[in-house]
Amino acid sequence: ETGVTQSPTHLIKTRGQQVTLRCSSQSGHNTVSWYQQALGQGPQFIFQYYREEENGRGNFPPRFSGLQFPNYSSELNVNALELDDSALYLCASSGQGSLHFGNGTRLTVT
Amino acid sequence: QKEVEQDPGPLSVPEGAIVSLNCTYSNSAFQYFMWYRQYSRKGPELLMYTYSSGNKEDGRFTAQVDKSSKYISLFIRDSQPSDSATYLCAMKRGDDKIIFGKGTRLHILP
Repeated sequence: ETGVTQSPTHLIKTRGQQVTLRCSSQSGHNTVSWYQQALGQGPQFIFQYYREEENGRGNFPPRFSGLQFPNYSSELNVNALELDDSALYLCASSGQGSLHFGNGTRLTVT
Repeated sequence: QKEVEQDPGPLSVPEGAIVSLNCTYSNSAFQYFMWYRQYSRKGPELLMYTYSSGNKEDGRFTAQVDKSSKYISLFIRDSQPSDSATYLCAMKRGDDKIIFGKGTRLHILP
């Protein structure tokens, strides 16, 4: 059973740019969630996808958007990057009610 | 008042000691309770998952839930330097939204 994998591991962007982060979910898991973890904080829920449809969203603006593909892999897109978007972005797939996380993408916005 | 409160620490204990980590919550709608361990530069790893009041044991780890007091705990027996990490409590509502605590940084001193 493969785990959740995310790419890239690190990324540096400039304010105002756009970024796409990618996630391959754990085998057999059809639900994927994205979380933002700022330094010294717990993960904050961005949104969740189930069978290619968004079915839950946290308190994040519309410039945070996502996609889920038929193979259950997923993308997180962030437009018009702001300095406060600097964080670890975590993808998690759901199995038996609990979340299984990847190691995240560390995004730095300068 | 935040939905989930967790003391960020850091908490330093000598090797071999019993570690007690705690979270309180305010929302009675939480039904499932989890503990995650997060090493530096890694994603959170699920340690314990429970949905009822009482104790659940897994090796050196014991999770305790007291729904009447809205209080959960994680105990680590015979602590090891490899247990040094950030421990996150997490709680899930009936709508499947999961809320995380800020995490407690734990240092086990050899």
